[in-house]
Amino acid sequence: AQTVTQSQPEMSVQEAETVTLSCTYDTSESDYYLFWYKQPPSRQMILVIRQEAYKQQNATENRFSVNFQKAAKSFSLKISDSQLGDAAMYFCAISLSGTYKYIFGTGTRLKVLA
Amino acid sequence: DAGVTQSPTHLIKTRGQQVTLRCSPKSGHDTVSWYQQALGQGPQFIFQYYEEEERQRGNFPDRFSGHQFPNYSSELNVNALLLGDSALYLCASRGPGEYEQYFGPGTRLTVT
Repeated sequence: AQTVTQSQPEMSVQEAETVTLSCTYDTSESDYYLFWYKQPPSRQMILVIRQEAYKQQNATENRFSVNFQKAAKSFSLKISDSQLGDAAMYFCAISLSGTYKYIFGTGTRLKVLA
Repeated sequence: DAGVTQSPTHLIKTRGQQVTLRCSPKSGHDTVSWYQQALGQGPQFIFQYYEEEERQRGNFPDRFSGHQFPNYSSELNVNALLLGDSALYLCASRGPGEYEQYFGPGTRLTVT
């Protein structure tokens, strides 16, 4: 069975600063995908970034980047130049290849201070 | 291009009643998954539909059932509602050859 652990229930960052959200996971499979989703108060889950486990290069999307450490089963999200609109719940998720069902962590609430 | 849509937005039901939630996937998507998100928790996988059949199921009782229509839209039915069924129900769709899913805004179900 797969598990995802987000050990930081809440994080705060000053506007324009950088913050890193942690995520660890456990799976015995070798082919899987990892995701970070953002859920603002509007409730809709928005895909932030994705990473294929077979790719060694860390994914980046504008101000968002990941640090993927496959051996350590770690998948952290770095947000650079934080903006007020980044305030939300952030969920880490894993999906095994071929199943396409997500296993989510419990989330990290990010507050951005003006 | 409309994204994933869900209806209704909010719903209040009484214990023992039955409820039906609806989802229309993103254009071009053929796979629909349903998730239950309790307050303060991450979403939990309920089941997934593809080609009008349930392909995978999470750890949910048979009171939770679903359906997918030929136009790929989907329904989630919950019978004999319990107070613990109160949650945000999220629908997500995926397109052929893709591995990421796109979520709808959810239906907030309150059972009293």
